[in-house]
Amino acid sequence: EAGVTQSPRYAVLQEGQAVSFWCDPISGHDTLYWYQQPRDQGPQLLVYFRDEAVIDNSQLPSDRFSAVRPKGTNSTLKIQSAKQGDTATYLCASRSTGNQDTQYFGPGTRLLVL
Amino acid sequence: SQLAEENSWALSVHEGESVTVNCSYKTSITALQWYRQKSGKGPAQLILIRSNEREKRNGRLRATLDTSSQSSSLSITATRCEDTAVYFCATDASNTNKVVFGTGTRLQVLP
Repeated sequence: EAGVTQSPRYAVLQEGQAVSFWCDPISGHDTLYWYQQPRDQGPQLLVYFRDEAVIDNSQLPSDRFSAVRPKGTNSTLKIQSAKQGDTATYLCASRSTGNQDTQYFGPGTRLLVL
Repeated sequence: SQLAEENSWALSVHEGESVTVNCSYKTSITALQWYRQKSGKGPAQLILIRSNEREKRNGRLRATLDTSSQSSSLSITATRCEDTAVYFCATDASNTNKVVFGTGTRLQVLP
């Protein structure tokens, strides 16, 4: 079974540039999470979906960040105008919630904003 | 404020010794998860212990949960150098599947 895949693996931007991160969850997993992990900190939940619906995006900086999962499978996280404070690893995870199953993480995208 | 928090920033042990990482949390949960994250990788779940369970084992790992004190521990016996990683606890909030991570404990296992 393929794991959670993410692309790109690395991104380097100047402040003000836009970037998109893509996530392909494990097939059949209805719940998909996006986390931001600054260096030497724990993953911080940004948004999560059940199928195509946003369940909680309260920690997503809505003025610059957006996330979609239009068909309830793949998902895209976009930063409209990056700031140096956005420098972090962006992790995607998926899970089947029927039995409160294991949450599987992708390898992450490392973002550096100069 | 953090909903989940490990009680130590960093720990160091020698191979073969046992070590325990402690976690406290502040929310109602259906489960408490323990993860390990190695450098450059995403977190990997080690144990999920449900709110009606008091102890769960997975090989050399043992997790406990005390819902009255809102605390959990993860013990590793017979540590190996490859156990060197950051260990996180994460709360699985009641009825929402929202998972919130602590700040992590950095464990170094020395030869």
